[in-house]
Amino acid sequence: EVQLVESGGGLVQPGGSLRLSCAASGFTFSNYGMTWVRQAPGKGLEWVASIKQDGSEKYYVDSVKGRFTISRDDAENSLHLQMNSLRAEDTAVYYCARDFYGSGDYWGQGTLVTVSS
Amino acid sequence: DIQLTQSPSFLSASVGDRVTITCRASQGISSYLAWYQQKPGKAPKLLISAASTLQSGVPSRFSGSGSGTEFTLTISSLQPEDFATYYCQQFNSYPRTFGQGTKLEI
Repeated sequence: EVQLVESGGGLVQPGGSLRLSCAASGFTFSNYGMTWVRQAPGKGLEWVASIKQDGSEKYYVDSVKGRFTISRDDAENSLHLQMNSLRAEDTAVYYCARDFYGSGDYWGQGTLVTVSS
Repeated sequence: DIQLTQSPSFLSASVGDRVTITCRASQGISSYLAWYQQKPGKAPKLLISAASTLQSGVPSRFSGSGSGTEFTLTISSLQPEDFATYYCQQFNSYPRTFGQGTKLEI
């Protein structure tokens, strides 16, 4: 059974940092690209970042470029999102998803990031 | 960036109704479009990929069509469990944008 479990969310002050993780199981992690999507409270879905299956290419939404870094550890079957210089507008539930020819076919349950003083 | 506009944003319907949600892209995206269903407090669920390919386990009352700039998601006969918010997403190019969502209410 495919499972994705996010962790690392929490309350952080503006300007602070957090590192999100997504533990994958039930499939060959190294064969898939992976994606982070977020959802601000009461709002719609926003694509944040994606990484190709071999880690060679990474893509980001403009609002997080230079602040967030997506990475993967195939030995640990894990996906990460390093978030620096956090802003109030980064407050959201962050989901990891497995790439299925561009769409996300499996999603984690999400982890809440709250940026507030 | 490619913008996706869903219509309507809100839709009231009854069990048994046939409903259609439209997603329009600001430029052509071939068939690189997915549809998701999201229920409150839950992660999105992939319903349809590549504009019209029904995911395994998704009821056949769901169908998708379209290519280029105009796409539709149709639910042929609404069931109680279908009341949720629906999103389209393009994966023709980065950033992989989502539509704003369509909330389907009883």
